[in-house]
Amino acid sequence: KAGVTQTPRYLIKTRGQQVTLSCSPISGHRSVSWYQQTPGQGLQFLFEYFSETQRNKGNFPGRFSGRQFSNSRSEMNVSTLELGDSALYLCASSREDRGYNEQFFGPGTRLTVL
Amino acid sequence: AQSVTQLGSHVSVSEGALVLLRCNYSSSVPPYLFWYVQYPNQGLQLLLKYTTGATLVKGINGFEAEFKKSETSFHLTKPSAHMSDAAEYFCAVRIGAGNKLTFGGGTRVLVKP
Repeated sequence: KAGVTQTPRYLIKTRGQQVTLSCSPISGHRSVSWYQQTPGQGLQFLFEYFSETQRNKGNFPGRFSGRQFSNSRSEMNVSTLELGDSALYLCASSREDRGYNEQFFGPGTRLTVL
Repeated sequence: AQSVTQLGSHVSVSEGALVLLRCNYSSSVPPYLFWYVQYPNQGLQLLLKYTTGATLVKGINGFEAEFKKSETSFHLTKPSAHMSDAAEYFCAVRIGAGNKLTFGGGTRVLVKP
């Protein structure tokens, strides 16, 4: 069974640009969550999508947005990039059966903003 | 709001020695607790989890953790460190519905031969 895949793995952008990152969850998984990882702030929750609806949202500005498609694939978008947006962006998926659902993480997309 | 504190951002152990990584959490309701490991240039891998039931939890690669409600702790241990244990370890808590995880700051483990 294929794991969570994220594309692209590496990305370089300049300030003011926008970027779209993609996450394909494990087959059958319906929940997708996004996290930002930086040396200064650590791992921070961005948002979670379930059945194409945002279920949870972290404390990030409106420049950060996401969506989920009917096949559970998810994208996140960052507009008007700032230097501080340089980070590893991790996506995680879970199946959403009754009870506890383990989250599986992808390898991440490393975004560098110049 | 919940929070997670990991004591020590770096830990150095000798190969074969005990690994002990500390995690304390704050939560007003019973949490789900997790330990993840991250190797360089990789995502997070789940080591073990506490949801309900037995407070001593065994995970992969010989790691285990004990949930102590009275101390609000979930420390991770491994009796004998191996070189392959060199990585960064994250403690995380999940409260309520959904899959939002709150992570501690991480502890980087160095294993000396």
